[in-house]
Amino acid sequence: GDSVTQMEGPVTLSEEAFLTINCTYTATGYPSLFWYVQYPGEGLQLLLKATKADDKGSNKGFEATYRKETTSFHLEKGSVQVSDSAVYFCALVPYNTDKLIFGTGTRLQVFP
Amino acid sequence: GAGVSQSPSNKVTEKGKDVELRCDPISGHTALYWYRQSLGQGLEFLIYFQGNSAPDKSGLPSDRFSAERTGGSVSTLTIQRTQQEDSAVYLCASSLAQGAVQPQHFGDGTRLSIL
Repeated sequence: GDSVTQMEGPVTLSEEAFLTINCTYTATGYPSLFWYVQYPGEGLQLLLKATKADDKGSNKGFEATYRKETTSFHLEKGSVQVSDSAVYFCALVPYNTDKLIFGTGTRLQVFP
Repeated sequence: GAGVSQSPSNKVTEKGKDVELRCDPISGHTALYWYRQSLGQGLEFLIYFQGNSAPDKSGLPSDRFSAERTGGSVSTLTIQRTQQEDSAVYLCASSLAQGAVQPQHFGDGTRLSIL
């Protein structure tokens, strides 16, 4: 069945460091891809999305590109801040449904 | 408020009791989803409502779980004869319409603890 695999955390970085969180997927057809973020004590929020191959989603300095050839949707940010500390979830919606399938989440900790 | 509202925020109950969790979606959102977030299983889809269509119940883990959506708005997730493995955060989400291009907006969840 459809699934998402993302790197285990925690990822620990110093402020202004470059961030990559890897995400790969297995799906039939052409899913839509998402990154959700959960800040401490808060609910899940959509960070960015891409609905077709080669699309780039971006928001708040984060970017991810839908790579069909490598079935990947890696999250990147050029310069992280302490306020980016959160749990990041990669997710997909299969082409013939509307339900989100999530990865296990990656905790990011950014220190000053 | 304008977001998805869930109640209660926390629920502690004894094994074997029934519980009801409530979700009030964003006004105008026709699609409503329930997910479960637990330590062992991560985030799992439970059930999905879209307008007047039959719900997609494919994620419900057992027949002890059921959900309804009255009047196309508020939804209730019911767990009968609760077990300890039901302990989790139950999340509700809503979206404007069917289709992955419409993002799902999540509530803060109900943290359910089964003693």
